[in-house]
Amino acid sequence: AQSVTQLGSHVSVSEGALVLLRCNYSSSVPPYLFWYVQYPNQGLQLLLKYTSAATLVKGINGFEAEFKKSETSFHLTKPSAHMSDAAEYFCAVSMDTGRRALTFGSGTRLQVQP
Amino acid sequence: DGGITQSPKYLFRKEGQNVTLSCEQNLNHDAMYWYRQDPGQGLRLIYYSQIVNDFQKGDIAEGYSVSREKKESFPLTVTSAQKNPTAFYLCASADSFNTEAFFGQGTRLTVV
Repeated sequence: AQSVTQLGSHVSVSEGALVLLRCNYSSSVPPYLFWYVQYPNQGLQLLLKYTSAATLVKGINGFEAEFKKSETSFHLTKPSAHMSDAAEYFCAVSMDTGRRALTFGSGTRLQVQP
Repeated sequence: DGGITQSPKYLFRKEGQNVTLSCEQNLNHDAMYWYRQDPGQGLRLIYYSQIVNDFQKGDIAEGYSVSREKKESFPLTVTSAQKNPTAFYLCASADSFNTEAFFGQGTRLTVV
C-alpha cells in the first residue's frame, strides 16, 4: 500500500527565509511523487512532480524538491519565502501497481510573516 | 479553455436527501477521481474511474455512488446513508495515474 506522511501541519517562516516542507512516503515499488498547493476555497494546483527522471525537480514559483530513495523523502524547498506563498501544501504519491490514484498527505499550512 | 468544471460551488442538503455533484472535463482525460477534504485530514479518495463504464471504490466510498457513462462526466451522488457529508469535495482528472491530475474548484456541501 502507498502512503504519505507530512511532518508539521503548520509551518511559519519570515518573508525572505528558507521554506522547508517535509514529505516521507511509503511505497513497495518506485513511486511517482507530486507536490500541490491549495489557496482557500480553491482546487489544487500542481507545483512539481517526480516521475523517475532527475532526482532534483524544479517547479513553479521558485519551488523545488529532491527525491531521496534512501530516506524515502521528497521534501519541498524554496530559498526565499514570499507573502504570496502562504497556502496549504500537499504531497501525493502514486504507483504503477494496485490502486492507480493519488494518495495525499494530510497537508501543511504555510504561514509567511512580514 | 480546457479544464474541469464542478457545480455547484456551494450546496446545501437537508437530512435524508440525496444530492448529486457535477464534474465535467474537456481535457480528453481517461481517468477521473473524487476526493473529500476535511480540515486536517488532507484529501481522501472516494471513487475513481480509469475508463468509461468502469469505476472503483476508494478509501471512503460508503454512502456515495458514481457513474461514468461518458468520458467527460463523472457525477458523484451523496446519499442519505452518508452520515457526515458536510465537507469540501474535489473532482480531478488525469491522462494516467502517473501524470499530473488537474483539479476542479470544488463543491462545498453543507447539511442543514
